[in-house]
Amino acid sequence: AQSVTQLGSHVSVSEGALVLLRCNYSSSVPPYLFWYVQYPNQGLQLLLKYTTGATLVKGINGFEAEFKKSETSFHLTKPSAHMSDAAEYFCAVDGGSQGNLIFGKGTKLSVKP
Amino acid sequence: EAGVTQSPTHLIKTRGQQVTLRCSPISGHTSVYWYQQALGLGLQFLLWYDEGEERNRGNFPPRFSGRQFPNYSSELNVNALELEDSALYLCASSPDTYLYNEQFFGPGTRLTVL
Repeated sequence: AQSVTQLGSHVSVSEGALVLLRCNYSSSVPPYLFWYVQYPNQGLQLLLKYTTGATLVKGINGFEAEFKKSETSFHLTKPSAHMSDAAEYFCAVDGGSQGNLIFGKGTKLSVKP
Repeated sequence: EAGVTQSPTHLIKTRGQQVTLRCSPISGHTSVYWYQQALGLGLQFLLWYDEGEERNRGNFPPRFSGRQFPNYSSELNVNALELEDSALYLCASSPDTYLYNEQFFGPGTRLTVL
């Protein structure tokens, strides 16, 4: 069965600093992986996805993630944090024939001025 | 292109009551998914509808039910509300169940049970 683990429920960085949000997955088949962002009192917005091909995936708002099969990881990074990046971030894996996405518990990112 | 829409935005109910939440998918999307986001519990999968049929459901009691209409819109019904049903209910849609299942989310319905 697929699962997703996000290390760190809260991450705090200074504005302009590197953002690194960690995600590890478990899947018996080649995974499709996603990062979503949720701003307060809103739904989820897709940041980026990995399906096949290039393992370094670029998304919106300057975020990118690298799929590393050997480490079963799909960490999200951004070189320079902005105040507007403060939100909760969810990593997810495609549940395959079950239809649903399987989400990690989320990481709340705070950005200090 | 209009996104996924949900109604109502907020809802307050009391224990034992029944509630219906509504979702309209993106035009051309045939699959609709419902998730519950309760405080501290993350995103829990509730139901998946495709082409009018329930394809899968998560680990929730039968008082959580729903349906999908011919125009692919969907509603989620919750009977005999309990305090722990207080949550943000998110609807998502996807264009094709056999691709990599990219799901597009609506803004959610915030349900408070008193």
